Amino acid sequence: NAGVTQTPKFRVLKTGQSMTLLCAQDMNHEYMYWYRQDPGMGLRLIHYSVGEGTTAKGEVPDGYNVSRLKKQNFLLGLESAAPSQTSVYFCASTTTGALNQPQHFGDGTRLSIL
Amino acid sequence: GENVEQHPSTLSVQEGDSAVIKCTYSDSASNYFPWYKQELGKRPQLIIDIRSNVGEKKDQRIAVTLNKTAKHFSLHITETQPEDSAVYFCAASKTGFQKLVFGTGTRLLVSP
Repeated sequence: NAGVTQTPKFRVLKTGQSMTLLCAQDMNHEYMYWYRQDPGMGLRLIHYSVGEGTTAKGEVPDGYNVSRLKKQNFLLGLESAAPSQTSVYFCASTTTGALNQPQHFGDGTRLSIL
Repeated sequence: GENVEQHPSTLSVQEGDSAVIKCTYSDSASNYFPWYKQELGKRPQLIIDIRSNVGEKKDQRIAVTLNKTAKHFSLHITETQPEDSAVYFCAASKTGFQKLVFGTGTRLLVSP
């Protein structure tokens, strides 16, 4: 099992460019999440999905869009990249249940916007 | 919404000492509290978690305590080793969409 796989691992963009980050999980998890991690601020939730075809806003959604066309994939898009979006992006997934379950994280994507 | 505060931001100990990291949360509906360890350049990895129906949980050298009344929980690491050096994050969530709210992290340095 690969778990949660993120691509690409690194990317440098110019201001105004667009790109899509891909998250894939092979654990048949219903819930998937995108976080950004900035120095001194921990991880903050951008968007999340509770199932195929569903998405919802998290704490810091502005400037990002997401899609969950297939259960195993969760895409994060930047339509017009800004320097403030320079960050490390982590995807996570978890299963459903009566009790909260641990989230499993990918290795992250380090994104720099010049 | 939920707010999680974590202290201290940095913690330096000698090998063999104990380390304690504390977190407070604001939403009394939160009922799941995981702790993640993140080594430099790596993914956050779950090391221990606790649910609101339990006051304490142990796993070898690691323990977590929860005080629901005061809305705070703590991570205790005993007999620290250099490989415990990392950034530790606490988090809180409630039943439903399981959205985690993270603390700002504690950088633990264990010196030989």
